[in-house]
Amino acid sequence: DSGVTQTPKHLITATGQRVTLRCSPRSGDLSVYWYQQSLDQGLQFLIQYYNGEERAKGNILERFSAQQFPDLHSELNLSSLELGDSALYFCASSHRGLGDEQYFGPGTRLTVT
Amino acid sequence: DQQVKQNSPSLSVQEGRISILNCDYTNSMFDYFLWYKKYPAEGPTFLISISSIKDKNEDGRFTVFLNKSAKHLSLHIVPSQPGDSAVYFCAASGNYGGATNKLIFGTGTLLAVQP
Repeated sequence: DSGVTQTPKHLITATGQRVTLRCSPRSGDLSVYWYQQSLDQGLQFLIQYYNGEERAKGNILERFSAQQFPDLHSELNLSSLELGDSALYFCASSHRGLGDEQYFGPGTRLTVT
Repeated sequence: DQQVKQNSPSLSVQEGRISILNCDYTNSMFDYFLWYKKYPAEGPTFLISISSIKDKNEDGRFTVFLNKSAKHLSLHIVPSQPGDSAVYFCAASGNYGGATNKLIFGTGTLLAVQP
């Protein structure tokens, strides 16, 4: 158990809908990262937050957004969903956000039908 | 553009023997490298890391070697055990102006350790 929790574990929704994925980092970790793992691709970095502020953006679509709250949990919002958004979404956390290991949650499997 | 490459999608090894997983990278800005293990239906689990100022880091049965001139790293598992069977991801992070340590992942190598 990495100490990172993600909810829900599974999500099935229809195209055009909007969903919110939630992540709670390990106790004491200030940085949260979101990654997407599609069937035909490896883990792709989406976005990083550090202590409530956006730190870095990767291959995140404009239809996706995220935030980190004062209690350090984070949410990833996916809107206008398309079939191609079906993937595993992982959250990871690290203590400082620089030069330290990231610990991953179990992931949320999103299926868009 | 795949900056971190794991060219072997799979590897099969006998229990007790050495497993060697390889990873190549192209971005010379990378200065920190990590290996993660992933079982089905679980998130990646951190295994071992190495900074670019070192060429070897060892933790129990796991050793990571870094060859900066070749932009190559490898993970050695000795001795291999059936419980090591999983997908192994190589990841790298770099000096992005000091702002982030986002990870760039390889596509993974599926290791099967045969009893």
